[in-house]
Amino acid sequence: GAVVSQHPSWVICKSGTSVKIECRSLDFQATTMFWYRQFPKQSLMLMATSNEGSKATYEQGVEKDKFLINHASLTLSTLTVTSAHPEDSSFYICSAREAGTGRYEQYFGPGTRLTVT
Amino acid sequence: DAKTTQPPSMDCAEGRAANLPCNHSTISGNEYVYWYRQIHSQGPQYIIHGLKNNETNEMASLIITEDRKSSTLILPHATLRDTAVYYCIVSLPRGNNRKLIWGLGTSLAVNP
Repeated sequence: GAVVSQHPSWVICKSGTSVKIECRSLDFQATTMFWYRQFPKQSLMLMATSNEGSKATYEQGVEKDKFLINHASLTLSTLTVTSAHPEDSSFYICSAREAGTGRYEQYFGPGTRLTVT
Repeated sequence: DAKTTQPPSMDCAEGRAANLPCNHSTISGNEYVYWYRQIHSQGPQYIIHGLKNNETNEMASLIITEDRKSSTLILPHATLRDTAVYYCIVSLPRGNNRKLIWGLGTSLAVNP
């Protein structure tokens, strides 16, 4: 149980275009999902926290107009990187927290490798 | 900044126990110790967590010192598939402000 998927697993896009990454909780409902970014040989950096049906909370220094997060249902959150630039190339990882169980562990997706050319 | 300190790298022979230390001297009374690992180019995987008592599950054991200022994750019989970066994180167990602050972790290499 507690499986989180991401789609796509990797994507290459041209500079200036937008890319959407999906995060799904497959066998549980997630009231809260988290989006992280990880550059090579660095640790995970929390970008934003999204709660179902409400606006995401962004960490300091993360541009909310550039990284659009939508958490429209209890099983799906999306991250859209708008007007992508090469410096946005990174490994994007989502995680989800199961609703209604009292458990607060985060379950992580496999990550999405974004390369902007 | 991460509230934990871990050695950057460790080696372990296959089949032997891997003991990964973590210092968290500023841990507060209601914060738990969590361990995750990340195999190369994959998302992190939850391993174990604890408050003050030692914990064991099918993956590992967690030993927390009595003063809670440090802990050790033990993989009793390491395999090659345990090669990964191991992260020790202290965090509140619940609440809207609960975030996981990730340090650089310990890169464990299990050698044949």
